Amino acid sequence: DAMVIQNPRYQVTQFGKPVTLSCSQTLNHNVMYWYQQKSSQAPKLLFHYYDKDFNNEADTPDNFQSRRPNTSFCFLDIRSPGLGDAAMYLCATSRELGGGDTQYFGPGTRLTVL
Amino acid sequence: SQQGEEDPQALSIQEGENATMNCSYKTSINNLQWYRQNSGRGLVHLILIRSNEREKHSGRLRVTLDTSKKSSSLLITASRAADTASYFCATDVSNDYKLSFGAGTTVTVRA
Repeated sequence: DAMVIQNPRYQVTQFGKPVTLSCSQTLNHNVMYWYQQKSSQAPKLLFHYYDKDFNNEADTPDNFQSRRPNTSFCFLDIRSPGLGDAAMYLCATSRELGGGDTQYFGPGTRLTVL
Repeated sequence: SQQGEEDPQALSIQEGENATMNCSYKTSINNLQWYRQNSGRGLVHLILIRSNEREKHSGRLRVTLDTSKKSSSLLITASRAADTASYFCATDVSNDYKLSFGAGTTVTVRA
């Protein structure tokens, strides 16, 4: 089945130790998104790629970077995780940009920072 | 800041009852979507309603949209234990690609 896959599902890292989360899709969608979701809060968009074009949200900390080496894969790099970065990280895809398109979400990676 | 706000924050109902939750938003929209999130999982798209539509159905789900009041409601009829989840509304803003999610309504269906 076509889907959005995130690895790992659970990630534990130490304060300040770089970590990479990965997302892959078999939907062949143009757009890939990364969201951060803290407990009982709304998902917050960090950035998105339309094909190779990268768009950072204005309030996304510099500590967060992303790479999309090809259509299928997208990575979230947290350069120096702080305790406040502990959250669920959700990857999503859509065919096109715009709110008229459904977003397809992966199962998420729960990040713990010790 | 969030565009959408869900109400109530939490809802507990008996299996077989209906569940209704509301979403209010601040600025004009093109579309409004509802998503479900089971505990510790990703979001699943439920339904999309366009700004020129007033009501939409999908199985046991009914969504209404009142653009004059900037509000939407999601009704789940004949609820089941499997409907236990958080439900989020998501709006786009005219001329913006982004979806803005509300904080969600947590629904618990008791057997």
